Amino acid sequence: DIQMTQSPSSLSASVGDRVTITCRASQGISNYLAWYQQKPGKVPKLLIYAASTLQSGVSSRFSGSGSGTDFTLTISRLQPEDVATYYCQKCDSAPPYTFGQGTKVDIK
Amino acid sequence: QVQLQQWGAGLLKPSETLSLTCAVYGGSFSAYYWTWIRQPPGEGLEWIGEILHSGSTNYNPSLQSRVSVSVDPSKNQFSLRLASVTAADTAFYYCARRPNYYDSSGYPIGFDIWGQGTMVTVSS
Repeated sequence: DIQMTQSPSSLSASVGDRVTITCRASQGISNYLAWYQQKPGKVPKLLIYAASTLQSGVSSRFSGSGSGTDFTLTISRLQPEDVATYYCQKCDSAPPYTFGQGTKVDIK
Repeated sequence: QVQLQQWGAGLLKPSETLSLTCAVYGGSFSAYYWTWIRQPPGEGLEWIGEILHSGSTNYNPSLQSRVSVSVDPSKNQFSLRLASVTAADTAFYYCARRPNYYDSSGYPIGFDIWGQGTMVTVSS
């Protein structure tokens, strides 16, 4: 099975900072990658799919890039409401649809 | 507005069978894979399995020997059964949907709608 590895596992940044989270797949998955945001005590929410396509209604401060094995989620200007854990997930048509272990983002 | 509403027993003893159901309100039932995902407290997300309205299933190999997902298209509901539970199965369990079609650019979309989650605790 393909494994998904995120880094860092946690980070602390100031409001207005640019934040970058990386996700690496153990094998190439083209751009079949999604990113989710899970705020404390809440249900995960789809942010981005196809590595860079913003889900409807998601703030344009979020962007994604990458293809193959290496992917990035960027928050352009961190806001207090962005405090959450972010997960990547392979979303090709070959189960299991593995998630990364998560990156916890909070405000410094 | 599509909503997923889930329910089921929240406290089980070891060796019992976990049973959860998720109802789909609004939208198409046939255009999606209906999925179960779990999350142990304070940990990450694990995909359990999914089903189409036709009954075609996919399961996580790590759970395949104990898991069963079923569907009732007449009620727009799908269910999860996990046999022989242990404390390691203690988790939040979420139902979710995954479009069985690609977007206009030809890409899969991911899990776009989630249920509210059910906390299941396994304890003697």
